[in-house]
Amino acid sequence: GQSLEQPSEVTAVEGAIVQINCTYQTSGFYGLSWYQQHDGGAPTFLSYNALDGLEETGRFSSFLSRSDSYGYLLLQELQMKDSASYFCAARGQGFSFIFGKGTRLLVKP
Amino acid sequence: GAGVSQSPSNKVTEKGKDVELRCDPISGHTALYWYRQSLGQGLEFLIYFQGNSAPDKSGLPSDRFSAERTGGSVSTLTIQRTQQEDSAVYLCASSPTPDMYEQYFGPGTRLTVT
Repeated sequence: GQSLEQPSEVTAVEGAIVQINCTYQTSGFYGLSWYQQHDGGAPTFLSYNALDGLEETGRFSSFLSRSDSYGYLLLQELQMKDSASYFCAARGQGFSFIFGKGTRLLVKP
Repeated sequence: GAGVSQSPSNKVTEKGKDVELRCDPISGHTALYWYRQSLGQGLEFLIYFQGNSAPDKSGLPSDRFSAERTGGSVSTLTIQRTQQEDSAVYLCASSPTPDMYEQYFGPGTRLTVT
């Protein structure tokens, strides 16, 4: 089957660094995306990796290892506003698009 | 510029009734997606439209669900004979390219079937 696995919850303190992992199993692979969703809000696009390596966008970075079917989202200098759910996502069979179940990040002062 | 809009924002309906949910994508975006999100869960892919190509309907959970996209723009998701398990937030997203990786989401329609 096709799936993306990520931890259900992560807690960190303000100013710290946190890593959210994602392992995937898809029939084909076209890259890994990351989305942020605040409670009651819509998902917003954060980052995308088509190739192995690290992509950096401000405080957020995303990493991909295609050989390990693994990626992660790295959040640095955590702020209270980063408390949200984070989803990894990838294209599935045909033109379907699969999301992980999400990791709920709680940032504490 | 204007983002993706959806209407209604909330819909309460009785079991067995039909509902129509509307999505207005960002102007010029050729790709459009519908998802369903149950409370505390991830997003479940429903259907994908790309330009004038045949849609990918592989995610529709039953034949009670259908969707159309008129003129390559506005899309309507129709659920016939609603059931309580259809209660969820229905999200629409659009993308400027068929690459799919960067999608812009609307605020969603919260559907409650009583």
